[in-house]
Amino acid sequence: DGGITQSPKYLFRKEGQNVTLSCEQNLNHDAMYWYRQDPGQGLRLIYYSQIVNDFQKGDIAEGYSVSREKKESFPLTVTSAQKNPTAFYLCASSMIGRDRGEKLFFGSGTQLSVL
Amino acid sequence: QKEVEQDPGPLSVPEGAIVSLNCTYSNSAFQYFMWYRQYSRKGPELLMYTYSSGNKEDGRFTAQVDKSSKYISLFIRDSQPSDSATYLCAMTGRIQGAQKLVFGQGTRLTINP
Repeated sequence: DGGITQSPKYLFRKEGQNVTLSCEQNLNHDAMYWYRQDPGQGLRLIYYSQIVNDFQKGDIAEGYSVSREKKESFPLTVTSAQKNPTAFYLCASSMIGRDRGEKLFFGSGTQLSVL
Repeated sequence: QKEVEQDPGPLSVPEGAIVSLNCTYSNSAFQYFMWYRQYSRKGPELLMYTYSSGNKEDGRFTAQVDKSSKYISLFIRDSQPSDSATYLCAMTGRIQGAQKLVFGQGTRLTINP
């Protein structure tokens, strides 16, 4: 079955620690995205990538880093510089069409909490 | 002013009722409109995708777009308890030279048996 796999489902971070959230897709999609979701708020874009070895900052990139070494993989690192990391993190992917709306396919999410 | 406004609810209705969920937006550059359904602690799934003004129907779901009023709606007929979820509107368009996708904050819906 094609889809997006996020792991782990739950993650706990200690003070000063960097943690990495995994995202893998087998949909052969070019674009991948990371969103953060806080209770009662919409999705906020952290980073996105449209091609291997290239990525762009979203609206709330501070305190996060990403890499795109393979088309299928787009891991997100939450660094110690992110002072309020507790949130539900969603990875998504899509095809790219010029001047067309993207249809995003989402993973099941990772809940990150601070110990 | 937020680019997309969506009433967060929560909204609670009895089974079988018609549900109306709405979003307004401020930028006329948005051209594509989507509704996502998100069950608790899961990722959103695409429910409806529309481009032009008017109605699009899929089973019990109808998406309505009114570009002149910058207003979109999702109607659910014969609502079922399994429809209980958070519904997110989303829209995309070319803004300042780049494709931009914006989500509403989501409306939490509960259908009571």
